[in-house]
Parts: sequence; C-alpha cells; structure tokens
Amino acid sequence: SAVISQKPSRDICQRGTSLTIQCQVDSQVTMMFWYRQQPGQSLTLIATANQGSEATYESGFVIDKFPISRPNLTFSTLTVSNMSPEDSSIYLCSVARTRGEGFSTEAFFGQGTRLTVV
Amino acid sequence: SQQGEEDPQALSIQEGENATMNCSYKTSINNLQWYRQNSGRGLVHLILIRSNEREKHSGRLRVTLDTSKKSSSLLITASRAADTASYFCATDAAGTGANSKLTFGKGITLSVRP
Repeated sequence: SAVISQKPSRDICQRGTSLTIQCQVDSQVTMMFWYRQQPGQSLTLIATANQGSEATYESGFVIDKFPISRPNLTFSTLTVSNMSPEDSSIYLCSVARTRGEGFSTEAFFGQGTRLTVV
Repeated sequence: SQQGEEDPQALSIQEGENATMNCSYKTSINNLQWYRQNSGRGLVHLILIRSNEREKHSGRLRVTLDTSKKSSSLLITASRAADTASYFCATDAAGTGANSKLTFGKGITLSVRP
C-alpha cells in the first residue's frame, strides 16, 4: 500500500491567482498521477509526473495552466495557474502499485484538495 | 475518454438490503477495479478482478466480470449506513506494468437509509 499526504485539503481562491497543491508519498514511486474531479463528475487524469523529466499531460491540459514539479521520488506539486471559477474542483494525487503475478495496477489516493475559485 | 459507465447513477436503499451496481466498458482490459469515495475525499480501493476471473469476494463485497459483455457488477450485501458513498469502476487497459493508467467511470451515488 501507499500513504499519501496531500495539502491543502481545501482552499478558496480569488480568480486570477494561483494555487500550489503538494503531495507527499511515504515511499518512493516512479510515477505520480494528478486528477481533477469536477463537481458531481468522475476523475479525469491531468498529467503523469515523472521524476527527472517533464510531466506528461493528457489531452486538454497544458503545462502553462497546470505546471507540475517532481523534485524527488516521494514528492510532487501541481499548480493551478491563473484560476477562474471553472477551475473549482477536487484535485487528487495518486500513485500506482503493481500487485500479483499479473502486474495489475492498483491506485492509492491522497485525500484531495477541494478548490473553490471566486 | 471515459471508459467505464456505471448504472444506476444513484441508488437509495434501506439498511440491511443488498446494493447492486453495474459497470460497462468499451475496450479490452487487463483488470477492473472498484473504488469508493466518501464525501468528495480521496478514493479507496475496494476490490480488483482480473480479466481471467469471473467472480471475486471480499467480505460483504462480491464482484463479477463478464468480458464477453464487457461488464462488471459490484454487490454489497447487508448494507450499512456507513456504505453511503460514491462508487467508481476503473479499468486498466494498458496490459502490464506499474505505469498503467486507470480510466474511471462516472460513478454511482449510493445512499443507505438507516
């Protein structure tokens, strides 16, 4: 398993400002994943954070809007830049672990950051 | 793109009853997993079923997988008020490796009335 600490747990921000979300894992992992969950919706993968290289962004997400840092194998940050009310969501970091002989991927999540942009 | 589609989208039952939630997906998978989310917090892994398995049990949870129909069901027996949460299915379509990306369904909101 993996224990993930994410902070802040919630924030209310003014539009046009930026917020940096931190994610700390209790063990070293190769990849960390950042998700967005809009109100009443499912999780959408924003990007995969790789240690030592640029993050890999999914379609519809760009580095200028969601810069990611991955300074070591246990920590990552996601910044939501130049925020607008449409960015109000829950942001979740996640790590994956393989288990069993089939190398199935199981995800572990932080508690999420509930962001409200006013 | 969204892989899993759960139904119903919302389910309300009485404590003690069984809750059945369904998930359908579109592409071939390595495994299918179910997660629970309480009040918009982080997701908690419940159970994983591999593509070569048909049924799996864990406590009060029973999950089935029908790869011919590309569907899965999650049964919670003898439900409790504490089971009230959102439930998501997620598929691992990458085949192998720790870097597989999970694709989540839209989720089912389960309310268990005491």
